[in-house]
Amino acid sequence: GAVVSQHPSWVICKSGTSVKIECRSLDFQATTMFWYRQFPKQSLMLMATSNEGSKATYEQGVEKDKFLINHASLTLSTLTVTSAHPEDSSFYICSAAPTSGPYEQYFGPGTRLTVT
Amino acid sequence: QKEVEQNSGPLSVPEGAIASLNCTYSDRVSQSFFWYRQYSGKSPELIMSIYSNGDKEDGRFTAQLNKASQYVSLLIRDSQPSDSATYLCAGIISGTYKYIFGTGTRLKVLA
Repeated sequence: GAVVSQHPSWVICKSGTSVKIECRSLDFQATTMFWYRQFPKQSLMLMATSNEGSKATYEQGVEKDKFLINHASLTLSTLTVTSAHPEDSSFYICSAAPTSGPYEQYFGPGTRLTVT
Repeated sequence: QKEVEQNSGPLSVPEGAIASLNCTYSDRVSQSFFWYRQYSGKSPELIMSIYSNGDKEDGRFTAQLNKASQYVSLLIRDSQPSDSATYLCAGIISGTYKYIFGTGTRLKVLA
């Protein structure tokens, strides 16, 4: 149980284009989903907290107009990187906290984004 | 002080030995902790959670929480080469559901 999927697993895009990443909880409902970014040899940095049916809460320093988050249902959240630039290249990981036990987060497999 | 601190390692142990991974935390972090294992290029995998003072055992893994010392540890018994990974300690920021991660400790189990 507690499986989270992400799609795509990797993507290469050109500078200036937008990329959408999907995060789904497959066997549980998640009121809250989280989006993280991880640069090489660094730990995970929380970008934003996404609650179903409401606006995402962004961490300090994260541009909400650049990283658009939509949490349309209890099993799906999406992150859109708009006007991507090479410095946005990173490993993006989502996690989902079950409605039944919101303290434990289960992570998706991650999406490796490369912007050329 | 960082909210959650870990020694980055690498920590090298021989196969079959006990690996001991440690984490300290600040007052800003509530006393719910999680240990994740992360293989290179992969996302974190939850190993154990611990909420109460004392020890919690699950198979070869034992998590220990000492609230007075603001210290949480993970022991891995009978370490295997497949345990070689980065181990992340995460705590919850008080009053939220948000995690804050330590920088991770890289463990190498030598065959």
